Amino acid sequence: DTGVSQDPRHKITKRGQNVTFRCDPISEHNRLYWYRQTLGQGPEFLTYFQNEAQLEKSRLLSDRFSAERPKGSFSTLEIQRTEQGDSAMYLCASSPRQGRNTEAFFGQGTRLTVV
Amino acid sequence: AQTVTQSQPEMSVQEAETVTLSCTYDTSESNYYLFWYKQPPSRQMILVIRQEAYKQQNATENRFSVNFQKAAKSFSLKISDSQLGDTAMYFCAFMKPGGATNKLIFGTGTLLAVQP
Repeated sequence: DTGVSQDPRHKITKRGQNVTFRCDPISEHNRLYWYRQTLGQGPEFLTYFQNEAQLEKSRLLSDRFSAERPKGSFSTLEIQRTEQGDSAMYLCASSPRQGRNTEAFFGQGTRLTVV
Repeated sequence: AQTVTQSQPEMSVQEAETVTLSCTYDTSESNYYLFWYKQPPSRQMILVIRQEAYKQQNATENRFSVNFQKAAKSFSLKISDSQLGDTAMYFCAFMKPGGATNKLIFGTGTLLAVQP
């Protein structure tokens, strides 16, 4: 297993277009997180999946954002009607079942630029 | 709500020297985890070191160690014998375990440059 994989690495889109990002977590990890990182800031939590269930969404996640994790494997994050303020790095992370191992493993991120 | 503050946006250190990165946090919880993550340029974030709040002993991982002051809500990272590969953005993060999500709350980061 090569770790958490995100695709694409970079995306440039025009304002108003829809975009979709994909995250493939480490195979045995049932927890999956999406974070957003803007320039000069630390990552901010967007949403969390445990298996296929989306258990928490941040208020940062407007109704233009939707995330899925069908069958508890890969996840997608879709942004509809993109705005310039959506420009950021979108990070995916996964971690094992709840227990003493609390480490989150991050992907390399998808950098979104809205022009 | 928990907050994490890193007051040093940038730091620089000479190769082989020691540097300390600062982090303070605010929480009313008694049980939690604190982390330092490293984000090299154009590479993914990786865990450097982890501290469990109920453990009084400071965590160490090779050249990396922390100074955890629970009463002061302070969690600094010391890097000894700095290497060029330590150049990266370093994030301090807080996690409250046992909840539904185990989500991380990050500080704004410290950009560390190791000079040859």
